[in-house]
Amino acid sequence: NAGVMQNPRHLVRRRGQEARLRCSPMKGHSHVYWYRQLPEEGLKFMVYLQKENIIDESGMPKERFSAEFPKEGPSILRIQQVVRGDSAAYFCASSDMPGNTEAFFGQGTRLTVV
Amino acid sequence: RKEVEQDPGPFNVPEGATVAFNCTYSNSASQSFFWYRQDCRKEPKLLMSVYSSGNEDGRFTAQLNRASQYISLLIRDSKLSDSATYLCVVNPTGTASKLTFGTGTRLQVTL
Repeated sequence: NAGVMQNPRHLVRRRGQEARLRCSPMKGHSHVYWYRQLPEEGLKFMVYLQKENIIDESGMPKERFSAEFPKEGPSILRIQQVVRGDSAAYFCASSDMPGNTEAFFGQGTRLTVV
Repeated sequence: RKEVEQDPGPFNVPEGATVAFNCTYSNSASQSFFWYRQDCRKEPKLLMSVYSSGNEDGRFTAQLNRASQYISLLIRDSKLSDSATYLCVVNPTGTASKLTFGTGTRLQVTL
């Protein structure tokens, strides 16, 4: 049973470009969470999605960031017009039901904006 | 005040030592509590959940004091492989969403 799969592992973008980060949850998991870890900081919740629905996006920046979890395929975190401050590790986690408090994390995508 | 506060360390201890980490949280309504371990440039991995009655897993013991809003992790007989950052994590909602992470305490175990 493969764990949470994120790709790419490393992503370099120039300022102003778009970044697309993908996350495939563990098999059987329909709840996906995205977190961001800035250098020397703790992980910060960004968004919680179920299939085709955004449940909680209270941690998402108001502009340039969006997330989706389509019926088929991975969850996508999209960052438009990236800036240097977007450089961070972006982790995806999944769980099998909202009542289960354990979430399993992917290996993360390290975004570097140059 | 941060939602979850930890001493960043680093804690440098010799192999075989006992080391304790503490964590405080601000939301008194928080539902569940965890310690995660994060190795350098890797994803966080669940180490153990923390219960009011205290719980032990091998060399690791976790304690929760709800009245003081305080969580602890004790590691006995430290191994070199214990070197990592230990993240105190609080779940305010009772579901897996919106875990609130501390910035972590770095442990370095030396020969």
